[in-house]
Order: sequence, then C-alpha cells, then structure tokens
Amino acid sequence: LAKTTQPISMDSYEGQEVNITCSHNNIATNDYITWYQQFPSQGPRFIIQGYKTKVTNEVASLFIPADRKSSTLSLPRVSLSDTAVYYCLVGDMNSGYSTLTFGKGTMLLVSP
Amino acid sequence: DTAVSQTPKYLVTQMGNDKSIKCEQNLGHDTMYWYKQDSKKFLKIMFSYNNKELIINETVPNRFSPKSPDKAHLNLHINSLELGDSAVYFCASSQEGGLGMNTEAFFGQGTRLTVV
Repeated sequence: LAKTTQPISMDSYEGQEVNITCSHNNIATNDYITWYQQFPSQGPRFIIQGYKTKVTNEVASLFIPADRKSSTLSLPRVSLSDTAVYYCLVGDMNSGYSTLTFGKGTMLLVSP
Repeated sequence: DTAVSQTPKYLVTQMGNDKSIKCEQNLGHDTMYWYKQDSKKFLKIMFSYNNKELIINETVPNRFSPKSPDKAHLNLHINSLELGDSAVYFCASSQEGGLGMNTEAFFGQGTRLTVV
C-alpha cells in the first residue's frame, strides 16, 4: 500500500491561498489520489480526487506532477471555516476504500 | 436527507457490556464501512462489506462483529466492551467504480463511545 506523508499542521490567514503537499513515493500505477476534510466532531468529507496533472472543482484544485510521487491540494482564499484536518489518501479505486488508509492528516488553522 | 446516518451519536457504557451501533445509508451504495478514530485522531478502517464480501481488518478483535441485514444497513456489534474501545466510530458508504470514476465515500457523523 502506498504510504503518504503530510505536514502535521499548517497556519494561514483568511483570504490567503493554502497549499498542502502530500508525498507518496511508492504510488502504484492503478492508484488514485484522494483528499478528505474533517471538521471536529464530524465525519470526513470528500474534497477532490485525481490521477495525474491537474484537477479543479468548486472547492479546491489538485496538482499532480508527472512522476505522481507527490500531490498538492490548493485551497484558494481560505476562510475561518476551512479550519479542519485534511487527509491525503492513495489507493486503487477499483477496490473502493477497503484498502485505503487515512494517515495522520494536516491540521490547518485559519486565523482572522 | 441524511446520506449516512448512525445511531446513537453518544454512547456511554460500562466495561463488559455488549452494545450495538446502527448505520443506514440511503444512497444506494453497494459498499459500507466501519472506521475507528482514536484519541490521537488516527482513522483506521475496521470492516468493509458489500453484498458479495466481508473484508475484515485483521487487527480488529473478534469482539467486534458487523451485521448487515440488507444492503442499506451495516450495524456494528461489540461484545465485552473494554476501556480501550473508547473512540469515535464512523460508518461510511461508497459505490465502487472502475478506473476513471470518482469514488467518493460518504461518512456518518460518528458515534462517540465511552467505556467506563
């Protein structure tokens, strides 16, 4: 299973762009990269998923270099409500989430 | 409408008791999961289940048993509760897809279990 490494915590201010990088050096050919967000006392919530290059949705962008050994979640113009833990997952989506592991995540604190 | 709902939200019980946590999803998904999030916030998968196969995480004690009466429900039964079972338990569901498809898991709001 591909192991992921993320910063334990990050600090930002409202209105700034936040980039959270995840390392996954042993990513396999069939693996996808998925990011989740978790607020206190809530279950994780899907943010974005990608395989290569760049993916963008209404919430975030995901940048994946050609070697796919890392990925960067980009949150544009964060607000206080973006304070949460962000998890990077890597795995073969053919198996659903059965084999996916949530790492320690990155605690993002957004201040006024 | 709540996509994945679990009950109860809080559960306080004594050591040695047997308890169940219920989970229901109204998304029509074919796969459901139970996760455990401990005090250090590590989120670990315990079981995944669809109408074809039950996948058990080998590190889960056999005091924990999932029960699925139908495709929309996956309940978690715990026998002989121990102090170390105190954690937040999350139910989730997803629709397994092939390559090229977004596979999103939807999580319930969690059940905080406290064993005293």
